[in-house]
Amino acid sequence: GQQLNQSPQSMFIQEGEDVSMNCTSSSIFNTWLWYKQEPGEGPVLLIALYKAGELTSNGRLTAQFGITRKDSFLNISASIPSDVGIYFCAVRFEDYKLSFGAGTTVTVRA
Amino acid sequence: NAGVTQTPKFRVLKTGQSMTLLCAQDMNHEYMYWYRQDPGMGLRLIHYSVGEGTTAKGEVPDGYNVSRLKKQNFLLGLESAAPSQTSVYFCASTPGGAGANVLTFGAGSRLTVL
Repeated sequence: GQQLNQSPQSMFIQEGEDVSMNCTSSSIFNTWLWYKQEPGEGPVLLIALYKAGELTSNGRLTAQFGITRKDSFLNISASIPSDVGIYFCAVRFEDYKLSFGAGTTVTVRA
Repeated sequence: NAGVTQTPKFRVLKTGQSMTLLCAQDMNHEYMYWYRQDPGMGLRLIHYSVGEGTTAKGEVPDGYNVSRLKKQNFLLGLESAAPSQTSVYFCASTPGGAGANVLTFGAGSRLTVL
């Protein structure tokens, strides 16, 4: 299957911080997606990116589709406790199949 | 609107037992998928369906079978469960076309094989 390298694997956030995570691939993709999974739930789509260089926001979340079409990053600004969860990048294949990265686990720093 | 419903939510099996996970969606979606989620590995596609009566293999199909006899239901079967199949299983669906990126996921089914 497609290998998406997502980093960091985990991170701790403090309320009010800006945090960033990214995803890279050895192949070119025309659609990059970011999903969030909360405990006991399935992933939910946050942002979809369709064009190289595109920068898209959803509230405090901002994602960019890399110009090479081989990477994407997600920024969370002014973190709040409910931002905890697992964030996945994903790319789309034929038949609308998605291939996911391994995820970035976001935890609140005590 | 229930969305995607998975049953059961939890199940414990002994090695060699069989079972079926049921996924039901009430959104009239054409495409349905079964993923498994393991720590540090993200979600991996097991099997999928592009419409009623169709099935296709995903990335990790071995040890699983599926059926889509009705458009709204997608069944995942384990004929002879193995400890390596201990995982959380997610079903997802999408209408295809313009709405295809928005896969709607169920809440998951946690399976433990002893």
